[in-house]
Amino acid sequence: GQQLNQSPQSMFIQEGEDVSMNCTSSSIFNTWLWYKQDPGEGPVLLIALYKAGELTSNGRLTAQFGITRKDSFLNISASIPSDVGIYFCAGSARQLTFGSGTQLTVLP
Amino acid sequence: NAGVTQTPKFQVLKTGQSMTLQCAQDMNHEYMSWYRQDPGMGLRLIHYSVGAGITDQGEVPNGYNVSRSTTEDFPLRLLSAAPSQTSVYFCASSYAPGGRTYEQYFGPGTRLTVT
Repeated sequence: GQQLNQSPQSMFIQEGEDVSMNCTSSSIFNTWLWYKQDPGEGPVLLIALYKAGELTSNGRLTAQFGITRKDSFLNISASIPSDVGIYFCAGSARQLTFGSGTQLTVLP
Repeated sequence: NAGVTQTPKFQVLKTGQSMTLQCAQDMNHEYMSWYRQDPGMGLRLIHYSVGAGITDQGEVPNGYNVSRSTTEDFPLRLLSAAPSQTSVYFCASSYAPGGRTYEQYFGPGTRLTVT
C-alpha cells in the first residue's frame, strides 16, 4: 500500500518560534491535507491543497503541495501554547493515507 | 449542523463479545469511512462507503463489518471482539464527486477496550 513518511515524530519548541514539518510519499497524490488532533478529540482539518506547487495559508499556518506531488510541508509561525497537539498529513488518491503524526509541544 | 457524531464515546468489551459502533452525519456527504488509531501508527482505514448500498474494504478490514442503508448512517460492527481491536475508532465523511474523496471531516471518536 501507499506509505507516507512524516517528520519529525516530535518537536519541543519555545513559544514564539516557527515550526516546520513535512511528509513524503513514494506515490503521487491528487490532494494533500493537514489535520490537527487535540487530546481526546478527532482530527480537525487545517489546510487542503489541490494543485502541485500550491501554497496556501490559514492564519499562522502555511502549507505547500510539492511540485512532484509526492511531498508536502506545513509551517506554523510564531507558535503559541494552543498549537500543542498532533499534526497529521494525509494524501489522497481515491482514499486517504495518513502519516504517523508530529507531536508538537510548545514550551512557555 | 452537528457534523459527524459517534456513539458510544467509551466502551469496554470482553473477548468474543460483539457490538456496533454508531456513526451519523448531517452534511449529506456521499463518502463515509471508519479508521482506527493506534499509538504511533496514525489512522488506518478499516472500511469505507461511497454511497448508500455501497461499501468496500480498506487497509485493515478483518474482524469488522459495515453496511450503508442510508446516506446519513454508517455503523461499524465488531463480530467477535479481540484484544487486538483495542483502539480509538474514528468515523469520517466527505463529499466525493466522481468517486474521489477530498476533505474528510471526523467525529469525536470511540475509545474501545477489549479485555
